[in-house]
Amino acid sequence: GENVEQHPSTLSVQEGDSAVIKCTYSDSASNYFPWYKQELGKRPQLIIDIRSNVGEKKDQRIAVTLNKTAKHFSLHITETQPEDSAVYFCAARVFSGNTGKLIFGQGTTLQVKP
Amino acid sequence: EPEVTQTPSHQVTQMGQEVILRCVPISNHLYFYWYRQILGQKVEFLVSFYNNEISEKSEIFDDQFSVERPDGSNFTLKIRSTKLEDSAMYFCASSGPQGYQETQYFGPGTRLLVL
Repeated sequence: GENVEQHPSTLSVQEGDSAVIKCTYSDSASNYFPWYKQELGKRPQLIIDIRSNVGEKKDQRIAVTLNKTAKHFSLHITETQPEDSAVYFCAARVFSGNTGKLIFGQGTTLQVKP
Repeated sequence: EPEVTQTPSHQVTQMGQEVILRCVPISNHLYFYWYRQILGQKVEFLVSFYNNEISEKSEIFDDQFSVERPDGSNFTLKIRSTKLEDSAMYFCASSGPQGYQETQYFGPGTRLLVL
């Protein structure tokens, strides 16, 4: 079935270090992979996304890589700051009918220690 | 920047009661979704809606659930007879317009507590 696995479930880093979160998806037809940041009690906020025709995308301190053959994609945050602390969700879009639903990973709680 | 809005922010109801959760998607979007997130768990897809009809629904979206776009701006989720296990945060999302439907923008959520 449609599934996205995300690791690790928790990640603690020192301020300034890098953080990497990895996801694996099951549906080979998935063609769009967003990452959302969710602060406690708030909405998921899109931070970066990548489409299947691209292998890597970068936006300032955030980058995402995609390996379609292995069905892996990863989020890389460099020079982490305390305000990066949040839960991060990866997702894979499964196109169905006229729309595409997002299948989310389990989430990674990132803690950046000052 | 336009945002998806949802009301109410919190809803407490008794088991068996009907609840209606309301959403105002981004104005030029054509695709609408409901997701839910049980406390501490991942976000789960419930239903997608396009062109005034359901496009896809998950196993969670049984006969107790319904969606409606009653006018040009609102998108609602109704739970006819709530159960304890319906307690969760419900997120509305929208995407579009045509050809740009991939990116889904989420509302702030409605926290539903069924007692």
